Amino acid sequence: DAGVIQSPRHEVTEMGQEVTLRCKPISGHNSLFWYRQTMMRGLELLIYFNNNVPIDDSGMPEDRFSAKMPNASFSTLKIQPSEPRDSAVYFCASSPRPRVLRRFFGPGTRLTVL
Amino acid sequence: AQTVTQSQPEMSVQEAETVTLSCTYDTSESDYYLFWYKQPPSRQMILVIRQEAYKQQNATENRFSVNFQKAAKSFSLKISDSQLGDAAMYFCAYRSGHGSSNTGKLIFGQGTTLQVKP
Repeated sequence: DAGVIQSPRHEVTEMGQEVTLRCKPISGHNSLFWYRQTMMRGLELLIYFNNNVPIDDSGMPEDRFSAKMPNASFSTLKIQPSEPRDSAVYFCASSPRPRVLRRFFGPGTRLTVL
Repeated sequence: AQTVTQSQPEMSVQEAETVTLSCTYDTSESDYYLFWYKQPPSRQMILVIRQEAYKQQNATENRFSVNFQKAAKSFSLKISDSQLGDAAMYFCAYRSGHGSSNTGKLIFGQGTTLQVKP
């Protein structure tokens, strides 16, 4: 089992550019979660999907952030336009379904916005 | 809304000694779950231990154990016989029970960085 796959592992971009982070959940997992980790705010849940449908996006910081899950094996988190304060590590996690206790985390994407 | 607080940004322990990481939480729910996750320098998030709120017995996983005080809303992690590989950031997390509309969410504390000295 390859686990949760995220790409890229590192992204450096300039302010104003569009950034797209990608996630492939574990096969068979129906729930997918996007988290952001910063020094100031710790680990925050941005949005989660169940069966490709967004269930709760109340953690998405503002309209510049959007997330999609077009199918069960792929999700994207897009930031447009990016700002320096978006610099963080973004984690994707999956679980078989929301009620399963354990989250399986990906390795994260470190985003730096200059 | 539920909150999780880890008041110790950094802790250190001598190898082979015991260390306790603190976590408190706030909730009005009676059914919930608590977790400790470990994040080593590789950034991977690893589940260390979990506790069901309805269970009075403290969870134990090898050298890791918790002190769950439901009335005090406290959930500390004890690491016995600390090893160099235990050095990492540790996150305490809360999840609502199955009957809640929030059941999908994991709410994390700010994290505690643990240093293990040889």
